[in-house]
Amino acid sequence: DVVMTQSPLSLPVTPGQPASISCRSSQSLVDRDGNTFLHWFQLRPGQSPRRLFYKVSNRDPGVPDRFSGSGSGTDFTLKLSRVEAEDVGLYYCMQGTHWPWTFGQGTKVEIK
Amino acid sequence: EVQLVESGGGLVQPGGSLRLSCAASGFIFSSFWMSWVRHAPGRGLEWVANIRPDGSEEQYVDSMKGRFTISRDNTKNSLYLQMNSLRAEDTAVYYCARFSRSGGSYWGQGTLVTVSS
Repeated sequence: DVVMTQSPLSLPVTPGQPASISCRSSQSLVDRDGNTFLHWFQLRPGQSPRRLFYKVSNRDPGVPDRFSGSGSGTDFTLKLSRVEAEDVGLYYCMQGTHWPWTFGQGTKVEIK
Repeated sequence: EVQLVESGGGLVQPGGSLRLSCAASGFIFSSFWMSWVRHAPGRGLEWVANIRPDGSEEQYVDSMKGRFTISRDNTKNSLYLQMNSLRAEDTAVYYCARFSRSGGSYWGQGTLVTVSS
């Protein structure tokens, strides 16, 4: 199975400041057609998972533009340009290129 | 509006069985792959299984293969997960999802399964 490794696992942030989460896969996530099925999810307390980005950098509807996704091959990044209080929660990267689809361990974002 | 509503969770003893259901509405259910995903606090998110729109193909994560069975009834717009030989490590919130790798991502509110004696 493809192992997804996130860092950091805990991210205390100051509102208004930027933040960044790294995600690395144990093998390339580029499929035979050139697609890279790397997604980012947000899991707020008491809520269902919400996908933020699909295929690395495609923003899902309703996701604020202070969030951005980037990367290629095996290295990917989720960035928040200015953290807001509502961004508190767990963030997961997930690969959908190789079955079984797998998630990273999760990064807990909390306000300092 | 896409809606997915899970039910069937609860407390079950190790070795026991449980059947989860997901009622879908707001879209043509028979046209989409459907999935089950679980979230165990402290263990993170884990994909469980997928099923083809017509039910002819199922995909499982190895740790659940042989114990869990995903199925659907397109006449009832419903998705199911039969879980047998349950273990403590199967304790989690189970989500029904309509997930496309290149398109929409929709999730239910989840149903809690607790495996404990």
